[in-house]
Amino acid sequence: KAGVTQTPRYLIKTRGQQVTLSCSPISGHRSVSWYQQTPGQGLQFLFEYFSETQRNKGNFPGRFSGRQFSNSRSEMNVSTLELGDSALYLCASSPGASSNNEQFFGPGTRLTVL
Amino acid sequence: AQKVTQAQTEISVVEKEDVTLDCVYETRDTTYYLFWYKQPPSGELVFLIRRNSFDEQNEISGRYSWNFQKSTSSFNFTITASQVVDSAVYFCALSAVTGRRALTFGSGTRLQVQP
Repeated sequence: KAGVTQTPRYLIKTRGQQVTLSCSPISGHRSVSWYQQTPGQGLQFLFEYFSETQRNKGNFPGRFSGRQFSNSRSEMNVSTLELGDSALYLCASSPGASSNNEQFFGPGTRLTVL
Repeated sequence: AQKVTQAQTEISVVEKEDVTLDCVYETRDTTYYLFWYKQPPSGELVFLIRRNSFDEQNEISGRYSWNFQKSTSSFNFTITASQVVDSAVYFCALSAVTGRRALTFGSGTRLQVQP
C-alpha cells in the first residue's frame, strides 16, 4: 500500500502570497489531519477532516484553511503568508476518526516564507 | 487541557548503550491514548506504539520497550543496545477520546547514537 503523499515537498513564497498544499492519504483512509512543525512551537495541530467535513480545528488564525475531497485527498491553504508561517507542514491519515487510530504521516511540505 | 512533557531535549549515547526517553502527560480525560513517534532526518514521522489508558502492561518489541505508569502519568520508552540507526527525534503524543481528538505532541527528544 502506498503511504501518505504530500506535494510539493518544498516551497518558497514571499510574504503576502498565498499557498496551497496537497495531501493524498493512504488508500481507504478517510481521516486526514494537518500539523505544523516549527523549531519554536514544535508540532501543532491545525485541523482534521473526515468524510469531507472538518471535525476539529486547532488554534490557528483564519488564514489557515483546508478542505477534503470525496476521494479523501485534502488540501490546506494559507493566505497572506507571514514569515512565521515558515514550517514543515505534515499531513497524517488514519482509517477513521477515532482517537484509537494511529495516524500515518507523510514526508511533509517544507514551506519557506521570505 | 492536555499537555505532554519531554524534559530531555537531547541525549547522546554510544552504540550498544541502553537509553530511556521520558514522557510525562497531563489530561483530565479518563480515557486517552498515548503514542510514540520517531522522526528521522528525512522528516517523516514514523509510528512506533499506541497504548490506551486502561492497559498498563509494559510492552516489548525487539529492542524497544515501553513502560506506562498511570500513577505517575508517565509513558517512558527504552531502547536496548542502541544502534546508530536509532538516531532521530522521538515524540511522545496524547490523544483524548472526548473533545478534540487531535494528537498533542511533546517537544521531542533528539537521540544521537555515536558509533
